Amino acid sequence: GAGVSQTPSNKVTEKGKYVELRCDPISGHTALYWYRQSLGQGPEFLIYFQGTGAADDSGLPNDRFFAVRPEGSVSTLKIQRTERGDSAMYLCASSLDSGTRYNEQFFGPGTRLTVL
Amino acid sequence: AQSVTQLDSHVSVSEGTPVLLRCNYSSSYSPSLFWYVQHPNKGLQLLLKYTSAATLVKGINGFEAEFKKSETSFHLTKPSAHMSDAAEYFCVVSELEGSYIPTFGRGTSLIVHP
Repeated sequence: GAGVSQTPSNKVTEKGKYVELRCDPISGHTALYWYRQSLGQGPEFLIYFQGTGAADDSGLPNDRFFAVRPEGSVSTLKIQRTERGDSAMYLCASSLDSGTRYNEQFFGPGTRLTVL
Repeated sequence: AQSVTQLDSHVSVSEGTPVLLRCNYSSSYSPSLFWYVQHPNKGLQLLLKYTSAATLVKGINGFEAEFKKSETSFHLTKPSAHMSDAAEYFCVVSELEGSYIPTFGRGTSLIVHP
């Protein structure tokens, strides 16, 4: 079946602009995660959803970052007033549920964001 | 609190020789441990996971890892490297109690020479 998809694959924007990154999880997966991966680093947790609600947003770096998942499926990561330091690969992953253990996460190919 | 340290940023091997990628972890609770692989322009893929069952875990593509609590290690091994194994490898820790948020290591780049 279809895996996790992310759009766009690449996004170039200017400092100060607003961007939206989209994630389509695997159908039926209730848990959805967003990560940010800088060059030469491992993925860094941003936020995770269980269904429609943000169960943990402790990884969001500041209030310029926001994410939604209104119908419990597709999620959008929103970044306001982008800064050059926001440039990174943004990864989305989904899993069956978070529950009491860490289930296998299925990752999308990522969106590479470049802020000029 | 949980953390993971990948001891080598790069590992270089010849095709057909053994692979060892080292990972040490720190966890306040019983951890779940994972290895993911990331090929260029591809999404991360799970290689194997340890979740308190057998300490020797076998994964895909001939990889395996051994959980050693006394050494707080979860090293990834493969008897014979293949050119297609060249990729970035991430060790991941997640606590079974407390936070379910996984923590990724910084990654080890595996280079395979013909």
